[in-house]
Amino acid sequence: QVQLVESGGGVVQPGRSLRLSCAASGFTFSLYGMHWVRQAPGKELQWVAVISYDGSNIHYAESVKGRFTISRDNSKNTLYLQMNSLRPEDTAVYYCAKKKEEGGVEAPPDYWGQGTLVTVSS
Amino acid sequence: QSALTQPASVSGSPGQSITISCTGTSSDVGNYNLVSWYQQHPGTAPKLMISEGSKRPSGVSNRFSGSKSGNTASLTISGLQAEDEADYYCCSYAGSLTWVFGGGTKLTVL
Repeated sequence: QVQLVESGGGVVQPGRSLRLSCAASGFTFSLYGMHWVRQAPGKELQWVAVISYDGSNIHYAESVKGRFTISRDNSKNTLYLQMNSLRPEDTAVYYCAKKKEEGGVEAPPDYWGQGTLVTVSS
Repeated sequence: QSALTQPASVSGSPGQSITISCTGTSSDVGNYNLVSWYQQHPGTAPKLMISEGSKRPSGVSNRFSGSKSGNTASLTISGLQAEDEADYYCCSYAGSLTWVFGGGTKLTVL
């Protein structure tokens, strides 16, 4: 069965950096694009970034563009989110999610991890 | 990338049907057949209930159905059950590899 396990969250000061990881299993990771989606405490879901199955196509939400970097290592079945210049408004649970369709087809998230909490505070 | 518009809350009694709307624009909901719906119980990850406007993933009850008209998508839940009480989010492709979620709707089963 599909399993996604995020890690790397924690408390960080404004302006600092953090790297999240998402370990994938139960499916052929190298065939599927992946999303990062976040949810501030008590708030709605917010799409953050997407990466294609081979890492060749990447896109970000405007709110994180230039500060966050999504990447993947298909040899390790792992997705990453490097977050720089963190702001208090980046405080949220960060979910990694698998694309519903394999290959280069645009597709929404289907399976989600349990999330990792990032708190940006001095 | 403005969030899609959903009602903040809806409610219904067991056995009844409810519909949650999701209004976007001609740049997202109205332009692509890529609206999905997610159910989220407190403290848990979202679960995909409907994709591509009206397709139910394997294992999702046929009490859940989706549709779209113009810039508005809808999720209908028939035969409401207590376990349907949750937050529901719509999501749409918005072009240029970007996606947008709705503000979420809290469903209360009376």
